[in-house]
Amino acid sequence: GAGVSQSPSNKVTEKGKDVELRCDPISGHTALYWYRQRLGQGLEFLIYFQGNSAPDKSGLPSDRFSAERTGESVSTLTIQRTQQEDSAVYLCASSDPQGSSNSPLHFGNGTRLTVT
Amino acid sequence: AQTVTQSQPEMSVQEAETVTLSCTYDTSESDYYLFWYKQPPSRQMILVIRQEAYKQQNATENRFSVNFQKAAKSFSLKISDSQLGDAAMYFCAYRTPGRDDKIIFGKGTRLHILP
Repeated sequence: GAGVSQSPSNKVTEKGKDVELRCDPISGHTALYWYRQRLGQGLEFLIYFQGNSAPDKSGLPSDRFSAERTGESVSTLTIQRTQQEDSAVYLCASSDPQGSSNSPLHFGNGTRLTVT
Repeated sequence: AQTVTQSQPEMSVQEAETVTLSCTYDTSESDYYLFWYKQPPSRQMILVIRQEAYKQQNATENRFSVNFQKAAKSFSLKISDSQLGDAAMYFCAYRTPGRDDKIIFGKGTRLHILP
């Protein structure tokens, strides 16, 4: 697969449950981003991983949100005790900044999370 | 902190006509990059065009071109000969190179193409 892969594509969960969203970046891409997109809204930055550096977690909205990334591979975004306001599309993107910072982001198709 | 503003939540254009989407940004940096992304109903974000701030020449990609005014911090997207497939959300984005390589997106402009 040449692109960014996210799973699941859709997730429906009950309020209060925990969910895990997965992102497989493009092989060799050292930078990985998570964004949240509420219905009809723009992209809200959540977290950024760059190689083995400490992640930039400044966009995480609460301590119920966390993300991990092992090396330069898969990342998981975990939302604990989900709330209805967590309903959104969660987009993952990767980038290879080694060459130039005008390297674009390559996005996955997102995970649509619905909390009932 | 850097911000990106898209002042037009929605726009419509007749097929085959030209439309311009506006974007302004705020930064104290001199070196940065600007992008326009397209998000059709499929949700897949697609890069449309990119611009390096140090380049004076406006970027062009086929029917898509930008008007980059660095002093005014303006980065508008012009779509010529609009096609039905251009209907989508368009996001303007800003990126500063370096360790904090965060990319900031505007809230988007929904573009409708009228047949």
